[in-house]
Order: sequence, then C-alpha cells, then structure tokens
Amino acid sequence: DADVTQTPRNRITKTGKRIMLECSQTKGHDRMYWYRQDPGLGLRLIYYSFDVKDINKGEISDGYSVSRQAQAKFSLSLESAIPNQTALYFCATSDADGSNQPQHFGDGTRLSIL
Amino acid sequence: AQTVTQSQPEMSVQEAETVTLSCTYDTSESDYYLFWYKQPPSRQMILVIRQEAYKQQNATENRFSVNFQKAAKSFSLKISDSQLGDAAMYFCAYRASYDKVIFGPGTSLSVIP
Repeated sequence: DADVTQTPRNRITKTGKRIMLECSQTKGHDRMYWYRQDPGLGLRLIYYSFDVKDINKGEISDGYSVSRQAQAKFSLSLESAIPNQTALYFCATSDADGSNQPQHFGDGTRLSIL
Repeated sequence: AQTVTQSQPEMSVQEAETVTLSCTYDTSESDYYLFWYKQPPSRQMILVIRQEAYKQQNATENRFSVNFQKAAKSFSLKISDSQLGDAAMYFCAYRASYDKVIFGPGTSLSVIP
C-alpha cells in the first residue's frame, strides 16, 4: 500500500461545484502539504500544516481551504470550482525531524473543471 | 523571497550519454537543503538526490551527481550513462531549515534511443 494516498485519482466536474480532495498517510509524519502543478510553473504550495492544530497558507491559497482532521489526514476543498483551478494536485508529507528530509508525495489527483 | 529557477524547459540526450540540468536559486539563508525530484509520465514524484548546503562535497547517487556551487547559488544535476527510463520531468527544490519547500518550474528530459 502507498504511504501517501490521494483520492480521487482523477475527477472531472463543473464550474461552481464544491470539491474535496483527500489525502491520508501511513508514514507517521507531522507535516503535510498541498500543491498544485501547472505546466511551466512547477509545483506551487497551496496550504501546509505542521501538526494537527497548525494550518498555514501557501503562495496560492485563494479559492481553496483545508482541514487537518488527524495527523494522518489532510483534505483540500474547492468551495466553488472554477476552470482555472484545473490542474494536477499533490499531497505531500515530511518528517519534522530534519530539514534535509525529502517530502513524500502521493500519486496526485488530476482535476478538470469544465 | 526565495526563488528557484530552471532555465531549460526542455532537454534531450542520446542514450548512454551524459546530460546536465541547470538550477539556480535565490536565498539569503546560509543553512538550507537542495533536492532534485524526478516525475516520470506516471506522474509520481521521486526523490533523485539531496544536498545539504553546509556540505562542500557534492552528493552522488549511482549515475546521478550534483555540482553544488554555494557562492553562485547553483545546483546542477548530472546524469551519466543516460537510460530510456531517465526520460521525465525533473524539478529542482529548495528548503530552508524547518521551512516549506520551493520548487522550480521543471525541465523535461527526453532520452533518444
């Protein structure tokens, strides 16, 4: 089983719909992150959480919200989806002990908003 | 603000040859970490190699090595004996101590048989 699991893997939806992307991890990491990937822009940070009671905005948080339900779960919501939120979304985790530790990524959710 | 730049959107290499992917970053920090991630068509993000800024010795992982020039804020990735499976998008990433990771825009590498 994957250490970082994202659901769904793919999603097509319509403008104005509320969407939730879910992420769960079995690595026991405290830190979790949501990124979106767009061609030519790399991965950009949407929100991150360093523990269950900690939520921080990233560089592109407008139009998104998150919930850290437990150490292992971190969900991303689009309250009213718009077409320019069409992207590949990644959840990642990292260990709090040591900044040299890499992030561990899920397999991504490809979201298309029509 | 910290930024990461990858000036080569696309690169190609002949199978068995060597290729170098460029990365530069901007920071005022002295203690930080650098990473190269690979994203094959399967879209997984796979760590290739990492480098601690306090270490002068360049990191090496099998066919992958880096040229870390701290003063120039440069962190290039060298792939030796390129294989078809090396074809992927490569992202350079920067992380200051206990801070979030910043990714570059990526370089798409093609391997020609």
